[in-house]
Amino acid sequence: KAGVTQTPRYLIKTRGQQVTLSCSPISGHRSVSWYQQTPGQGLQFLFEYFSETQRNKGNFPGRFSGRQFSNSRSEMNVSTLELGDSALYLCASSQGWAGTNNEQFFGPGTRLTVL
Amino acid sequence: GNSVTQMEGPVTLSEEAFLTINCTYTATGYPSLFWYVQYPGEGLQLLLKATKADDKGSNKGFEATYRKETTSFHLEKGSVQVSDSAVYFCALSSDSNYQLIWGAGTKLIIKP
Repeated sequence: KAGVTQTPRYLIKTRGQQVTLSCSPISGHRSVSWYQQTPGQGLQFLFEYFSETQRNKGNFPGRFSGRQFSNSRSEMNVSTLELGDSALYLCASSQGWAGTNNEQFFGPGTRLTVL
Repeated sequence: GNSVTQMEGPVTLSEEAFLTINCTYTATGYPSLFWYVQYPGEGLQLLLKATKADDKGSNKGFEATYRKETTSFHLEKGSVQVSDSAVYFCALSSDSNYQLIWGAGTKLIIKP
């Protein structure tokens, strides 16, 4: 069974631009969660989608948005990029709604650099 | 709010040494606790978990016991190998929210 895939793996953008990251979950998984990883703030939860609905949201500004398609693939969009948005963005999928008994499987991440 | 505190790294040990990485948490209710590992250039992998007090999670020689009285979930391994070099993250999932709250991560370096 293929794991969680994220595209692209690396991305360089300039301030003010927008970016879209993609995540394909493990086949059969219906939940996709997104996390931001930075050296300063560590790992922070962005949002979770389950069956095309946002079920949970972290404490990030509205510039960060996402969506999930009927095939469970998810995209994350960041508009008006700032230097502080440079980070590793991780996607995780789980079979059911991410919870205590639903293990999350992580992709390798997308490394975003904002210049 | 909920939070996780883990010991700062890097932790440097010789092969076959005993490992302890401390993790304490603050949470209301009865959270589930996790240890994830991130090998260089790879994504996060679940190492072990415990869902209720006094549970012991174990995997690949690592183990951690959910101690509610001390709000701790320390990671231990009796004899580390060079291949255990990685960053280890402690995390919790509250029973009301389910989003993962992460510790800062501890880099482990094992020297041959």
